This record gives sequence, C-alpha cells and structure tokens, in this order.
Amino acid sequence: ETGVTQTPRHLVMGMTNKKSLKCEQHLGHNAMYWYKQSAKKPLELMFVYSLEERVENNSVPSRFSPECPNSSHLFLHLHTLQPEDSALYLCASSQDRENYGYTFGSGTRLTVV
Amino acid sequence: AQSVTQLGSHVSVSEGALVLLRCNYSSSVPPYLFWYVQYPNQGLQLLLKYTTGATLVKGINGFEAEFKKSETSFHLTKPSAHMSDAAEYFCAVSGVSTGANNLFFGTGTRLTVIP
Repeated sequence: ETGVTQTPRHLVMGMTNKKSLKCEQHLGHNAMYWYKQSAKKPLELMFVYSLEERVENNSVPSRFSPECPNSSHLFLHLHTLQPEDSALYLCASSQDRENYGYTFGSGTRLTVV
Repeated sequence: AQSVTQLGSHVSVSEGALVLLRCNYSSSVPPYLFWYVQYPNQGLQLLLKYTTGATLVKGINGFEAEFKKSETSFHLTKPSAHMSDAAEYFCAVSGVSTGANNLFFGTGTRLTVIP
C-alpha cells in the first residue's frame, strides 16, 4: 500500500471516552503532521514531528496527545474531548527540508457527543 | 514569515467557463507555492506546485498556475470548467522553520460549477 492512510475514517465518541487516531505513511518521509479542519475555519496545524521528534505544538489543548513511535506511524490520542473538537483530522507527511509539499491522508471525521 | 491570502471564499462558474481562483502570498524567502484540492469528505490532493524554473506550472485535471513575483501572486486557472471540478481549493506557501518543512495554507475557495 502506498501513500498516507488514516484510520478510522469516521469516529463518534462521548466526552468521557478515550480513543486514538492512527496515521501510517509508506512514502519514506521523515516528517509527519496533524491538522484540524473545522467547518468554515482555515486548516489548523496542530503538531509537527520531524525525525520522530515533536518540533511544533501549536497551543493545542492537552486533551490531544500525539505519539510518533517511528517515522512511518503517527497517532493522536484523544481523551475528555469537547463537542467543539468535532472536526476532520488530517494527517500529512513530507520529506523534511525538501519543499515539495505534503502528502495528505483522507482524514478521520470525528464527532464528539 | 510566510502567509497566503485567497480572495473569494466562494466562486461560481458555469460549466465550460474559465475558472480563476486567486492567491497572493507573502514570504521572506523565495517561495515554494502549491495548490491543493479537497473533494467532500476527503483529504487534500496536490494539484500542482511551483519550486523553481518555469513560472507557468501545469497540474492535474487541466489546471495551471502562474508564479508572478512582481505581483506576489499564484492564481489557479482552467480554461473550461467541468462539473467534476466542484471542490474546495487551497493555496499554500512553504517555509522552513524549527527543522520542519511547514506549509502555510490559505482559507480555501469553494468552487461551484453550474450546469
């Protein structure tokens, strides 16, 4: 399988649940990203990992916890979310310092009830 | 610092008409510029990119964009719109910061194609 794969595609969770989003890339890239896309808002960069180390955390609430165990996998652990956290969560990867753009996954549509 | 401004959050064109989506950028270094397309309930797909060289860039699905340094613009065009072009389009500029290759996105333009 090639490209960036995100699972699950859809997730409904209660505010007290704990769940995780998974992202996997088979492109040999060494940087991975989490974006949040909400209705009528611009894409929000949440986290950046480069060479498996977190290099950016854009003031994201602690109820979102990223994990990058290796250069091919990225997780976003979720706990005690709020309804306003409902959004499309996009994962992307790139080859660090090569400005050729990102490859995106199809996203996880998260609904918090 | 890098930023992108997309003029017009919604654009409607008739099928067969010219598509023009506007993008202006701000960059403190020579920019790398991108257009992405997003179809409903999907991720972003790269349409085309400008890095160096020829300023007129051709992408997938008949789209092209021209880098104009004097105007700090990178507008996206397609001579004849097709119904399947209805989607949201994002312009982005690349900048290197804190060891990672970050993309800075515009707010997007939703293209509607009228039959």
